[in-house]
Amino acid sequence: AQSVTQLDSHVSVSEGTPVLLRCNYSSSYSPSLFWYVQHPNKGLQLLLKYTSAATLVKGINGFEAEFKKSETSFHLTKPSAHMSDAAEYFCVGPPGGSYIPTFGRGTSLIVHP
Amino acid sequence: DGGITQSPKYLFRKEGQNVTLSCEQNLNHDAMYWYRQDPGQGLRLIYYSQIVNDFQKGDIAEGYSVSREKKESFPLTVTSAQKNPTAFYLCASSLRTGGAGNTEAFFGQGTRLTVV
Repeated sequence: AQSVTQLDSHVSVSEGTPVLLRCNYSSSYSPSLFWYVQHPNKGLQLLLKYTSAATLVKGINGFEAEFKKSETSFHLTKPSAHMSDAAEYFCVGPPGGSYIPTFGRGTSLIVHP
Repeated sequence: DGGITQSPKYLFRKEGQNVTLSCEQNLNHDAMYWYRQDPGQGLRLIYYSQIVNDFQKGDIAEGYSVSREKKESFPLTVTSAQKNPTAFYLCASSLRTGGAGNTEAFFGQGTRLTVV
């Protein structure tokens, strides 16, 4: 079965330093992949999406992700963390055959002053 | 403005009672989903519907029921059979299911259910 795996449950960075949140996928064909952000007690907001048009995807709030088929990865990055980036981040993909949003376990991003 | 609306935001229920969570969308989406979120466990799929009058069980459907009588609405009932119903519930919708280049899912703001 296709799935997405977020490699880190927590990532801690200092304000102003780069952010890297890791996601690997398993799929027998090119998937659609998404990154969502969730602030406490809120719904999920789409950060960016990959749908096979371009491998480097730019999203909102300075985030971007690169689809690497050879590594089956879709890692989320940001050059400089802000305090407001502290939240839960989810990598989401579809299983094969139909699109039902399938979530990684989430990565909690902690930003220190 | 188009979007997906969940109500209420907070809900308290006594043990043994059924309760229904509302989810409405005006995005003209075919597919709708219900997820449950518990701390440290990510989102788990409860039920989903790809078309009116049809729905499928997800990974944790026991103790829940749904209906899809209208395209815009996908209410979730948490029954007394659900052993541990206290959680954050999220509803989502998407334009369609299946195929490559699928569109993203849009989420409501969630309902926090507490059993007292």
